[in-house]
Amino acid sequence: LAKTTQPISMDSYEGQEVNITCSHNNIATNDYITWYQQFPSQGPRFIIQGYKTKVTNEVASLFIPADRKSSTLSLPRVSLSDTAVYYCLVGAYNNNDMRFGAGTRLTVKP
Amino acid sequence: GAGVSQSPSNKVTEKGKDVELRCDPISGHTALYWYRQSLGQGLEFLIYFQGNSAPDKSGLPSDRFSAERTGGSVSTLTIQRTQQEDSAVYLCASSATTSGLGAQYFGPGTRLLVL
Repeated sequence: LAKTTQPISMDSYEGQEVNITCSHNNIATNDYITWYQQFPSQGPRFIIQGYKTKVTNEVASLFIPADRKSSTLSLPRVSLSDTAVYYCLVGAYNNNDMRFGAGTRLTVKP
Repeated sequence: GAGVSQSPSNKVTEKGKDVELRCDPISGHTALYWYRQSLGQGLEFLIYFQGNSAPDKSGLPSDRFSAERTGGSVSTLTIQRTQQEDSAVYLCASSATTSGLGAQYFGPGTRLLVL
């Protein structure tokens, strides 16, 4: 069963690039890797998803090495509004073992 | 259309009472998930529905918890004989993809407080 591990917290400054790594040593062949952002008193919001190599969208990039045992969410040029908790999720649609990590609390400072 | 909606937004109940939490997924989404989030904690997966298939209930924390999904749309999470440790935010999410793992769209949650 895939289980994820993330750093508990990270600090950064406005304009910097932030990289958050998630470890998932027991990832299954059918599992995808998805990252979510959560603000206080709100439900999580989808950021990006990937299976292998690199995925990029308008807000983030996701780097997945060949062994898929980890993944790194990259946020370019963060702003104060990026202060939130970021969750890594590993799973597949036909696998009800949806394991969110404990989340990484990112604090962006001015 | 609208996003995932949940009701009630807040629920205060007394220990031992039953509660029902409702989730209206995004129209057309075949997958529906329930999670629980205790204060300051991460998300705990509870149950997953895919279309009209029978859900796997192995993630439910005890037999006091049950969930159903009628007509492949609206879902109800029921907690019987509530306990104080059931106090948490209960989040529902829906997804459109039936292969791989589609993006889950979360509702605002129901904040349950058991006194």
